[in-house]
Amino acid sequence: GENVEQHPSTLSVQEGDSAVIKCTYSDSASNYFPWYKQELGKRPQLIIDIRSNVGEKKDQRIAVTLNKTAKHFSLHITETQPEDSAVYFCAASATNTGNQFYFGTGTSLTVIP
Amino acid sequence: GAVVSQHPSWVICKSGTSVKIECRSLDFQATTMFWYRQFPKQSLMLMATSNEGSKATYEQGVEKDKFLINHASLTLSTLTVTSAHPEDSSFYICSAIDNQPQHFGDGTRLSIL
Repeated sequence: GENVEQHPSTLSVQEGDSAVIKCTYSDSASNYFPWYKQELGKRPQLIIDIRSNVGEKKDQRIAVTLNKTAKHFSLHITETQPEDSAVYFCAASATNTGNQFYFGTGTSLTVIP
Repeated sequence: GAVVSQHPSWVICKSGTSVKIECRSLDFQATTMFWYRQFPKQSLMLMATSNEGSKATYEQGVEKDKFLINHASLTLSTLTVTSAHPEDSSFYICSAIDNQPQHFGDGTRLSIL
């Protein structure tokens, strides 16, 4: 089955700096990679996603890059703000074999004002 | 659009009680629903995949007799934790999909005394 690893587990940055979170996956059949933000006790919220036919996607301060050959993808948050503080999860999914999401272990991001 | 409703949001009950959690897609028909379990400060662990009208597919290590899943319609799936014990205490989250991405419910915090 799919195995998703995520690093770092915790990340502290100064407000205005950039934050980068990296994930690797094992199943070459995975072709959809969403990123979720979860605040304590709440539902995960999709912040950005990327499909395997695309190498990079950007939405305002958030970008995701995918290296399908190396099986890794990264989340980039620029100009971080205190409200970006949360736990971020990456996931990998194979849309051809059931759409199951396999999540990374999470990164607790703290943006220091 | 794409709202998933999960009830109840919080349950406290005695050991040995069975607890039912409902997951509804309110404004779309979900071809598939998923059930996750999340321990404090940990990732979402996929428990099972549920397709309407068929038996759920459980991930390795998840007891299907302990966690009964029923997917009676395209908008409703239920998870019943049978004869719950303190070790079953956790945050349970469902998600529903018609097409990527998955849409998550608000989760159910289950506390077994």
